[in-house]
Amino acid sequence: SQQGEEDPQALSIQEGENATMNCSYKTSINNLQWYRQNSGRGLVHLILIRSNEREKHSGRLRVTLDTSKKSSSLLITASRAADTASYFCATDRFTSGTYKYIFGTGTRLKVLA
Amino acid sequence: GAGVSQSPSNKVTEKGKDVELRCDPISGHTALYWYRQSLGQGLEFLIYFQGNSAPDKSGLPSDRFSAERTGGSVSTLTIQRTQQEDSAVYLCASSTRSGTPSGQFFGPGTRLTVL
Repeated sequence: SQQGEEDPQALSIQEGENATMNCSYKTSINNLQWYRQNSGRGLVHLILIRSNEREKHSGRLRVTLDTSKKSSSLLITASRAADTASYFCATDRFTSGTYKYIFGTGTRLKVLA
Repeated sequence: GAGVSQSPSNKVTEKGKDVELRCDPISGHTALYWYRQSLGQGLEFLIYFQGNSAPDKSGLPSDRFSAERTGGSVSTLTIQRTQQEDSAVYLCASSTRSGTPSGQFFGPGTRLTVL
């Protein structure tokens, strides 16, 4: 089963509103990343937050990480129709001499014009 | 090249046949990753290469799956005796190194359909 679990599974909002997506994970991590996927095509990296960071900003994106709760949130402010996509969190952990990457099941965001 | 490329973009095969999927990472990227995504699902991590070495192959779903990387560049994912449950989009990604802030760069994927 996937370690990363996003919620909600689907989110529909009006253009201009903020969208918040959450991600929970189960084991200790090195980093947590958020990716966007449009219409089943390749994923695009949005932002990486390290396990010793609590908050990070990039443009209209704000990511928080709470390692005590093993959770992260992605906030997209002032959403646009072009933000319509699926958003995935991904954790990476270095163990037994290699990296393991776990992607969540994703949140499908729909921004209505 | 400008990005990660994968070939073929689509592959339809009959149950029991072998298939080979190819990934060309971004030049200079030492880390390469393979994932599988079933319809409407998240990504399932298959294998990670650092250079030509894959320290952990336990993510591969069965012994019908194998992957190799040569010259620290191109990688191939081979599925032998394909089954219908192998139908999915197979995504490849590369990065300069694991844990880099720029993340992984994904290819467009190969959509595999097993009839």
